[in-house]
Amino acid sequence: GAVVSQHPSRVICKSGTSVKIECRSLDFQATTMFWYRQFPKQSLMLMATSNEGSKATYEQGVEKDKFLINHASLTLSTLTVTSAHPEDSSFYICSARKRDRVSEQYFGPGTRLTVT
Amino acid sequence: RKEVEQDPGPFNVPEGATVAFNCTYSNSASQSFFWYRQDCRKEPKLLMSVYSSGNEDGRFTAQLNRASQYISLLIRDSKLSDSATYLCVVNKDNNAGNMLTFGGGTRLMVKP
Repeated sequence: GAVVSQHPSRVICKSGTSVKIECRSLDFQATTMFWYRQFPKQSLMLMATSNEGSKATYEQGVEKDKFLINHASLTLSTLTVTSAHPEDSSFYICSARKRDRVSEQYFGPGTRLTVT
Repeated sequence: RKEVEQDPGPFNVPEGATVAFNCTYSNSASQSFFWYRQDCRKEPKLLMSVYSSGNEDGRFTAQLNRASQYISLLIRDSKLSDSATYLCVVNKDNNAGNMLTFGGGTRLMVKP
């Protein structure tokens, strides 16, 4: 199997606070994890690529100081939305790639963030 | 121009109908192609990969035309449970590994 979990599944926070989202590969080691964001009725947009033990690579237009990514182990990556604002409200989805199956990505169930 | 373009729909079809979705991609170096299904407020799930020779999986048939940079998905004998958004997904850059680029999705509504 290839199960990816995310926590929390849903979070509501006040403007100006920070929120941490965890992405875990439960039954495999993920050398690479990806973070996506999806606004309502829009496509998934890749935010950043996270490799275990190294700095994340951010896509153009994504602020690395606002969206902090830590991939500290082969089974865990975290995304911290710092000083969240209402426009950061979105569906955040992670995916993970196995070391030996680089052509496949396994998606987590997503985290719905609402900033009030 | 978007890297992967799809008609957003919605496509409203009766049960049992055949429906086809199209997708175009702009990066001629793209190597891998997929159709994903996404239900409302859920993560995308891989429906099928798309191969140059075309491939079929039950009621679903996918076709790839590299010359035209065009991908299609055909669903036969539509079921109510097929109602979802179908995402055309392309490998962004083979040299960088599996970097997926998602189309905006085509929404399908199958009615009784």
